[in-house]
Amino acid sequence: NAGVMQNPRHLVRRRGQEARLRCSPMKGHSHVYWYRQLPEEGLKFMVYLQKENIIDESGMPKERFSAEFPKEGPSILRIQQVVRGDSAAYFCASSAVGVSAFFGQGTRLTVV
Amino acid sequence: DQQVKQNSPSLSVQEGRISILNCDYTNSMFDYFLWYKKYPAEGPTFLISISSIKDKNEDGRFTVFLNKSAKHLSLHIVPSQPGDSAVYFCAASVDDKIIFGKGTRLHILP
Repeated sequence: NAGVMQNPRHLVRRRGQEARLRCSPMKGHSHVYWYRQLPEEGLKFMVYLQKENIIDESGMPKERFSAEFPKEGPSILRIQQVVRGDSAAYFCASSAVGVSAFFGQGTRLTVV
Repeated sequence: DQQVKQNSPSLSVQEGRISILNCDYTNSMFDYFLWYKKYPAEGPTFLISISSIKDKNEDGRFTVFLNKSAKHLSLHIVPSQPGDSAVYFCAASVDDKIIFGKGTRLHILP
């Protein structure tokens, strides 16, 4: 899974600030998934994107969260006006044909 | 609405013995199943997968069994080794969307 790059690895934000999490998929992969893992919880699906399209965002909170995967550049998960409850590990995965997705190392977001 | 369930939060197995991790699902439309392994502070690592048209897939010490009528799959690790201690996530896919269970923490005892 070393091919999926997430940055930053750790991100600290004050309440009310914006958090931007980046994910560069493996070469040749056009599918990107974002998952959130809260402490002592499993991996919760947030959003599934293909290049320039959001395919399924059923796991995204209705407000403050957005995701994009532009034609050029990494996928971005944006959280506006962060709150303490947003503190979690956010994992990105990529795949070529939608199965056997490979994960990045995650971004640990801490809201203080 | 948990579509993929791992009912055992943790499991302890003696080194050298067989580890069996279980997973149940509710959505009969799932067409692909996967197991991932996760160490602390790292991303999940893909282990093994199985298509819904098969009932068994083997890769070295890892075997996944699928029972579609029971909507149940299991991961067998034999023999278990110390490096197998990790959290194991079962996952299922439909329409390219992958849904994960909450994970089972496996402890391999010396």
